[in-house]
Amino acid sequence: QQQVKQSPQSLIVQKGGIPIINCAYENTAFDYFPWYQQFPGKGPALLIAIRPDVSEKKEGRFTISFNKSAKQFSLHIMDSQPGDSATYFCAASKKTGNEKLTFGTGTRLTIIP
Amino acid sequence: DGGITQSPKYLFRKEGQNVTLSCEQNLNHDAMYWYRQDPGQGLRLIYYSQIVNDFQKGDIAEGYSVSREKKESFPLTVTSAQKNPTAFYLCASRGLNDNEQFFGPGTRLTVL
Repeated sequence: QQQVKQSPQSLIVQKGGIPIINCAYENTAFDYFPWYQQFPGKGPALLIAIRPDVSEKKEGRFTISFNKSAKQFSLHIMDSQPGDSATYFCAASKKTGNEKLTFGTGTRLTIIP
Repeated sequence: DGGITQSPKYLFRKEGQNVTLSCEQNLNHDAMYWYRQDPGQGLRLIYYSQIVNDFQKGDIAEGYSVSREKKESFPLTVTSAQKNPTAFYLCASRGLNDNEQFFGPGTRLTVL
């Protein structure tokens, strides 16, 4: 049972554009929502994370928007650069305790010059 | 220099052989995880351990085994019972009161 659905599977954006990656979750007990960035042949690294008590969080050029009623959250990358080309994964877990992360299937983002 | 190390980076195995992937962390994290990554399928949890000498099956544990004899080490054995073991394997760890998981660089296993 896939509990976190991610779209699109792949995305091509011109430099300077704003790629948007969307995720939807089913489990209403989830209350921690991270985004990971992965370059080819490397392990994922935490990019930004949000909890449902806020609707938006910004860190540099990266923004998470969160819609609790719709059970959806999205990643926006402002002023995208070729160096942002990577695979992005959303994930979700419960806030406390030793909870597992449930990952989306990933989005391969390509930023073209 | 703190972090998670995985070895080897590349591993080739003949069918019918067991192989063990190493994962070591010096972050003093209690929880450790093993994931399998296949193209288009994201990260799938194989096994996880919250404390030494204890571990639980994840979503795709069949054909794999683990041990957690030391806090800093969580090796994964891919047994001959795993029908399709060729994949990228990722180890991660997490502090007791944190949500963030830190990932290692991965091991790419290829069955010949």
